[in-house]
Amino acid sequence: KNEVEQSPQNLTAQEGEFITINCSYSVGISALHWLQQHPGGGIVSLFMLSSGKKKHGRLIATINIQEKHSSLHITASHPRDSAVYICAPTYNNDMRFGAGTRLTVKP
Amino acid sequence: DVKVTQSSRYLVKRTGEKVFLECVQDMDHENMFWYRQDPGLGLRLIYFSYDVKMKEKGDIPEGYSVSREKKERFSLILESASTNQTSMYLCASSPIGAGYGYTFGSGTRLTVV
Repeated sequence: KNEVEQSPQNLTAQEGEFITINCSYSVGISALHWLQQHPGGGIVSLFMLSSGKKKHGRLIATINIQEKHSSLHITASHPRDSAVYICAPTYNNDMRFGAGTRLTVKP
Repeated sequence: DVKVTQSSRYLVKRTGEKVFLECVQDMDHENMFWYRQDPGLGLRLIYFSYDVKMKEKGDIPEGYSVSREKKERFSLILESASTNQTSMYLCASSPIGAGYGYTFGSGTRLTVV
C-alpha cells in the first residue's frame, strides 16, 4: 500500500478553471515537495514546503502538518499546465511519491 | 545549469539481454537513486547509494543491480532483461541533509521485447 495518497488520479479542466490536487501521507515528514512531470519524462520541483503556504505565480501549495495533508492549487489554469503532478513527502533524506495526478487543461 | 544526465531516452532490448542504464550528475551530490515509474503506481525505488561503492536496496530491487564506482556516476544493471521490466526509469540525485529536493534526469523509456 502506497503510504502517499493523491487525488484525483486524473483531472480534466477547461482553460481558466481553478484546480485543486490533494495529497495525504501517513507519517511525520521533514518537508513535502510538489513535482511536475511533462510528457517525455523530465521531472521538475515546483515547491518544497514544511509548513503553511507558498505561492509561485498561479501555483499555490499548502500543507497542514497536524492533518498530514497538502494541496496544490492552480488558478486560471492554462493548457500548458497539462502535466502529471506528483506529491513527494520527505522523511529525513528519503523521498516518497504519490502515484501522481494527470491534469489535462483544454482550451 | 546543474543537471542529471541519463545516457538514453529510449531503449529497446531483447529478453535475456544484459542492460546498462547510466546516470551522471554534475552537482557533487552524495545521494543517487534509481526509480521505475509505471502507470498508476508512481515512482518506486529500485536502489540508492549514499556514497561511492555504497548501495542499498529500495522497494523493488529484484532483477536489478547497481554500481557506483565514482561519485558522479550511478549505473543500473538489468542482469537478464524481462518483459516485466519494460518501464520508464528515472535517476535522481540529492545532497545529504533533511528536506533537500531531488534533481531528476529526463528518464529512459525501456522496452523489453
